[in-house]
Amino acid sequence: EPEVTQTPSHQVTQMGQEVILRCVPISNHLYFYWYRQILGQKVEFLVSFYNNEISEKSEIFDDQFSVERPDGSNFTLKIRSTKLEDSAMYFCASSEAWGGGEKLFFGSGTQLSVL
Amino acid sequence: KNQVEQSPQSLIILEGKNCTLQCNYTVSPFSNLRWYKQDTGRGPVSLTIMTFSENTKSNGRYTATLDADTKQSSLHITASQLSDSASYICVVISYSSASKIIFGSGTRLSIRP
Repeated sequence: EPEVTQTPSHQVTQMGQEVILRCVPISNHLYFYWYRQILGQKVEFLVSFYNNEISEKSEIFDDQFSVERPDGSNFTLKIRSTKLEDSAMYFCASSEAWGGGEKLFFGSGTQLSVL
Repeated sequence: KNQVEQSPQSLIILEGKNCTLQCNYTVSPFSNLRWYKQDTGRGPVSLTIMTFSENTKSNGRYTATLDADTKQSSLHITASQLSDSASYICVVISYSSASKIIFGSGTRLSIRP
């Protein structure tokens, strides 16, 4: 079965540093998403991306966050100046259809720890 | 406010037993409801997706039900196996909008031998 891959699986960084989380969506998918899950809490929507631009974003996705699809295969989430509260598992997802359609495929996540 | 509530928060059962997980939602307008299985440290994996007109859908030992009138869904697991130990997350989608994909907090299921 096709899968969304994310790297790295774990990222430790100092507060104030920039981090880039990387994702390779399923090749024929057109819609891409980032979610996060703080330990013990619900999965939360961050941003959706289509046709090389942001389609929707949540209140969490402030000016410290940005997304990019630099080369047609990778989909990245950048946090410019990390804060302690950014510590979470970040999931990338992709789908053929808007909103997920029949299936929304998730990657295994990147565990981000901000010290 | 769009919300998805799941119960119980956690559940422990013996291998081979059946169990039922509950999901109540207040998401409107409703598009579809999904159940995901999330192993510790992994991304959610889709089990079932149900639209407004569907009452029951099965995927192997997993059977999901939906009552759109009462806004309730359940996930029934038959003849549980150790590998069923995971969090089960109910997700409700309001039309096809990425920002209206509402996740429940999940039920943490532990299967004991």
